Amino acid sequence: DGGITQSPKYLFRKEGQNVTLSCEQNLNHDAMYWYRQDPGQGLRLIYYSQIVNDFQKGDIAEGYSVSREKKESFPLTVTSAQKNPTAFYLCASGGLRITDTQYFGPGTRLTVL
Amino acid sequence: GIQVEQSPPDLILQEGANSTLRCNFSDSVNNLQWFHQNPWGQLINLFYIPSGTKQNGRLSATTVATERYSLLYISSSQTTDSGVYFCAVDRRGSQGNLIFGKGTKLSVKP
Repeated sequence: DGGITQSPKYLFRKEGQNVTLSCEQNLNHDAMYWYRQDPGQGLRLIYYSQIVNDFQKGDIAEGYSVSREKKESFPLTVTSAQKNPTAFYLCASGGLRITDTQYFGPGTRLTVL
Repeated sequence: GIQVEQSPPDLILQEGANSTLRCNFSDSVNNLQWFHQNPWGQLINLFYIPSGTKQNGRLSATTVATERYSLLYISSSQTTDSGVYFCAVDRRGSQGNLIFGKGTKLSVKP
């Protein structure tokens, strides 16, 4: 089946710890995205990548890091520098044309204890 | 940057009722999409509609680009329509990059 997978579904972290969220796609999409969603809010862009080994900051990149070593994979690390990391994290992928839609993974719910 | 505003923020309907969701945007756009997020968090694309009208079953959407708004119509609503509906538009100078509104939370009661 083609699609986007995210793992884990739920993640608990102690304050001061880094944690990495996985995102994999087999849709052969060039672009991948990470969004953060807080209760009652829309999606805010953290990072995006349009090509392997290159990525760009979104609107709220502080306290996060990413890598894009393979076309299929775009992991997100939430570092201890992120002051309020508890949120729902969504990964998406899509084409590069302005008309292309984005396809979303099922999300990871991160809770900092 | 471009602003995206959705209304109403919350909507409660009885099953079988019709509804209209609105998305206003502050600048011209090349890409406007509607998404549905189900109660478990999964987002699905409903329409790509930078202008004109499209229909898909009980859902239809209209975008009036010159007046900078889009409408999503849901007819004969079902409980499975519940969730949050997002409008997203393209971010200038960054192909494929979308800006999302805050969404309309729809609850359909049986």
